[in-house]
Amino acid sequence: AQSVTQLGSHVSVSEGALVLLRCNYSSSVPPYLFWYVQYPNQGLQLLLKYTSAATLVKGINGFEAEFKKSETSFHLTKPSAHMSDAAEYFCAVSGQAGTALIFGKGTTLSVSS
Amino acid sequence: NAGVTQTPKFRVLKTGQSMTLLCAQDMNHEYMYWYRQDPGMGLRLIHYSVGEGTTAKGEVPDGYNVSRLKKQNFLLGLESAAPSQTSVYFCASSRTGATEAFFGQGTRLTVV
Repeated sequence: AQSVTQLGSHVSVSEGALVLLRCNYSSSVPPYLFWYVQYPNQGLQLLLKYTSAATLVKGINGFEAEFKKSETSFHLTKPSAHMSDAAEYFCAVSGQAGTALIFGKGTTLSVSS
Repeated sequence: NAGVTQTPKFRVLKTGQSMTLLCAQDMNHEYMYWYRQDPGMGLRLIHYSVGEGTTAKGEVPDGYNVSRLKKQNFLLGLESAAPSQTSVYFCASSRTGATEAFFGQGTRLTVV
């Protein structure tokens, strides 16, 4: 079975500062890992995904994440926050064929000027 | 290009009433999912399907039923609505379990 833990339900940064959103996973099989973003009153859209190729994954809007098997982590980073990055971010995991996509509880990112 | 379409977008039900939420996808995806989103709880999986004619329970299936009679449609039913089912419901689909899931815009359901 797979599970995801997102550390910190709310992260606040200043515009231009580093963004770090934490995600740890549990999986009995090699995982597929995803980060999604949700803007207010909208559905979720994919930021990036890890599917066992490169451990450093680059996504849209300048975000990237690094898969660290030894730490069972898949933290999301962005070097310089922009006001438009304010949203809720979800980490998700899936495993072997026939299993579902499981989400963490989400982290709300606030960006101040 | 419609993607994933949920019907209806908003609904108010009285306790004990029944309703069906419809999800339709036009991407020929095998996997479809129903989630509910509640403040502080993230997205919790209700039921999912890995192909036409198949369904499986997620982590919060009680009070809901689903059907996947056609590959493009995934229906979520509430037989006797309860206030605890007040939530935003999202449908999603993906080609496989390892590929991107595409989400609908959500259905905001209030049970009074």
